[in-house]
Amino acid sequence: AQTVTQSQPEMSVQEAETVTLSCTYDTSESDYYLFWYKQPPSRQMILVIRQEAYKQQNATENRFSVNFQKAAKSFSLKISDSQLGDAAMYFCAYRRTLNFGNEKLTFGTGTRLTIIP
Amino acid sequence: DAGVTQSPTHLIKTRGQQVTLRCSPKSGHDTVSWYQQALGQGPQFIFQYYEEEERQRGNFPDRFSGHQFPNYSSELNVNALLLGDSALYLCASSLVQEGGIYGYTFGSGTRLTVV
Repeated sequence: AQTVTQSQPEMSVQEAETVTLSCTYDTSESDYYLFWYKQPPSRQMILVIRQEAYKQQNATENRFSVNFQKAAKSFSLKISDSQLGDAAMYFCAYRRTLNFGNEKLTFGTGTRLTIIP
Repeated sequence: DAGVTQSPTHLIKTRGQQVTLRCSPKSGHDTVSWYQQALGQGPQFIFQYYEEEERQRGNFPDRFSGHQFPNYSSELNVNALLLGDSALYLCASSLVQEGGIYGYTFGSGTRLTVV
C-alpha cells in the first residue's frame, strides 16, 4: 500500500521569507501523480501544485515550486515570498495512475504553516 | 461555475443514530469521492462513485454506505454512529476523462459531531 509521510507537524516563517515543507512517500508504482493541497480555516482543500512522476522537470506555480526527487521518493514544497494568506494546513497527496480516472488520493498527516508578520 | 457543494455544514448526532450527508459535484464532473478527516489528521478515503456504482472503497466498515444519483450528486450514509465517527467529511469531484491529472475539487465539508 502507498503511504505518504509529512515529518513536520508545524512550521513557521517570517513574512516575505522562503519556507520548504517536506514530504516523502512509498510506492512500488513507476507512474503516479503527486499533489500539494492547502486547507485554510474555511476547510476546503485547495490544489496548490501537482507533479507527474514521468516528468523530470519540477513543477512551478507562481511563488510555489516543488523539488521532486523520484529515486529518493521525496516531494518538497517551497513557498517563496511568504504571505499572510499562505497560513494554512498543507497536505501532500499521492495518486497512482493505473485505474484511469478513478484512483483515490492518499494524504499525509499535514503541516501547519504559520506566517509571522 | 459552481464548485462542490456539501450539506449540511455542521451536524450533531447521538451515538447509535444514522446520518446522511449530501454532495453536489462541480459542474461537468461525473465522479464523486468521500473522505473522512479526523481532527489533526489527513483525509482518509472512504469510497468513490462513478456511473452510480461504487468503484473503489477504503478501509471503512459496512456502516458507511453511499449512493450516486443520475445527476451525479451523492449521499454518504453512516449507520449506528460511534463517537469515533466524529470528523470532517469531505466530498471531492472529478471528471473521469481527465485521468486525475488535475487532482480533485473539494467541498468545504460537513463537520459531524457524535455525542
